[in-house]
Amino acid sequence: QVHLQQWGAGLLKPSETLSVNCAVHAGTFSGYSWTWIRQSPGKGLEWIGEIHHSGSTYYNPSLRTRVSMSVDTSKTRFSLKLSSVTAADTAIYYCARGYGAYSRWGQGTRVTVSS
Amino acid sequence: QSVLAQPPSASGTPGQRVYISCSGGSSNIGSNTVYWYQHLPGTAPKLLLFSNDQGPSGVPDRFSGSKSGTSASLAISGLQTEDEADYYCAAWDDRLNAWIFGGGTKLTVL
Repeated sequence: QVHLQQWGAGLLKPSETLSVNCAVHAGTFSGYSWTWIRQSPGKGLEWIGEIHHSGSTYYNPSLRTRVSMSVDTSKTRFSLKLSSVTAADTAIYYCARGYGAYSRWGQGTRVTVSS
Repeated sequence: QSVLAQPPSASGTPGQRVYISCSGGSSNIGSNTVYWYQHLPGTAPKLLLFSNDQGPSGVPDRFSGSKSGTSASLAISGLQTEDEADYYCAAWDDRLNAWIFGGGTKLTVL
């Protein structure tokens, strides 16, 4: 059964770069899209973007200038970086597998941006 | 304000059937399939339905979906206390070039 395990820094200062990683265990890495989604406090879900195992990326236009995703197929993991964070980026960040139908999720990484 | 509009809350008693609506437009629901997620606090969201009305294995058939024009609906029959959660619809938006989610509906089982 595929399992996604994520980790990253939980407390950032404004203007710093958020970095969250997601390792894929016990499942096929190739052939899937790997996605990042976040939920800000008291708000709904927001799609950040996705990366294919080949490295092709698709970002939410609202975040495109600050988002970067990468994939390491040898380690079956993928990563999210979000630069110049502000308090508005405070959220739980989830990694997930799929394209629309997100059938597997990581446990979530709570990131707080505060001075 | 979300592009996909959902009622902020819904409620029902055990055994009842409840409906949660999701209203969009021609660039999202009107031209693409709808997905539904169940989100319990402190856990990761769970895929309930894909392609408007298809349930992944393991999801009870008490959960069903439909789509008509630019709107979609999630129905939960035989409501159970463990169904109390937040429910989100999602779809690809051709105009925004992004996956979009509804604002979520908090379901309370009375």
